[in-house]
Amino acid sequence: EDQVTQSPEALRLQEGESSSLNCSYTVSGLRGLFWYRQDPGKGPEFLFTLYSAGEEKEKERLKATLTKKESFLHITAPKPEDSATYLCAVQASGNKLVFGAGTILRVKS
Amino acid sequence: DGGITQSPKYLFRKEGQNVTLSCEQNLNHDAMYWYRQDPGQGLRLIYYSQIVNDFQKGDIAEGYSVSREKKESFPLTVTSAQKNPTAFYLCASSILLAGGFKADTQYFGPGTRLTVL
Repeated sequence: EDQVTQSPEALRLQEGESSSLNCSYTVSGLRGLFWYRQDPGKGPEFLFTLYSAGEEKEKERLKATLTKKESFLHITAPKPEDSATYLCAVQASGNKLVFGAGTILRVKS
Repeated sequence: DGGITQSPKYLFRKEGQNVTLSCEQNLNHDAMYWYRQDPGQGLRLIYYSQIVNDFQKGDIAEGYSVSREKKESFPLTVTSAQKNPTAFYLCASSILLAGGFKADTQYFGPGTRLTVL
């Protein structure tokens, strides 16, 4: 059975304090791994798609990396507006996405 | 503006009632999906559709029904058979890449919060 585990469940950072969020996955035949950002009461906002081990993608202060077992979302010098829940999902067979429970990030100024 | 719209934003259901959640997209996407989100849990797939007049059950389809009469619309009905319907419901859509080797990015609507009174 495909599984996604995100850690930590919650993370508190000071503004400017860089850190990483982890997404570990077990899936047969990975077709893609996705990162989304979700603000309270809103739908997830697409951030990145990673297709194969070794791939990296960047957007502003965020950088996503992928290995054969996990993905990291690195946040460099975060700002309070980066506070959100970050969701990881994997797609194997068909079009089904399997989501992790998310990491709640709070950045204090 | 291209995107996915969901209505209503908030919905209240009485015991024994069926309610329908609307999802419309103008992205010309082939596939549409319904997910349910509960606190502390990952999104779970209810139903999905890759083509008009065809749809498949997801992991938690019991107590729900859908239709896909138009490419741009994929309404979800929460029936009285769904015993615990209070949740945040999210609609998503994606293109379908040819060949099927790469994953198709799903884009989400703003969601509908359903509460049982």
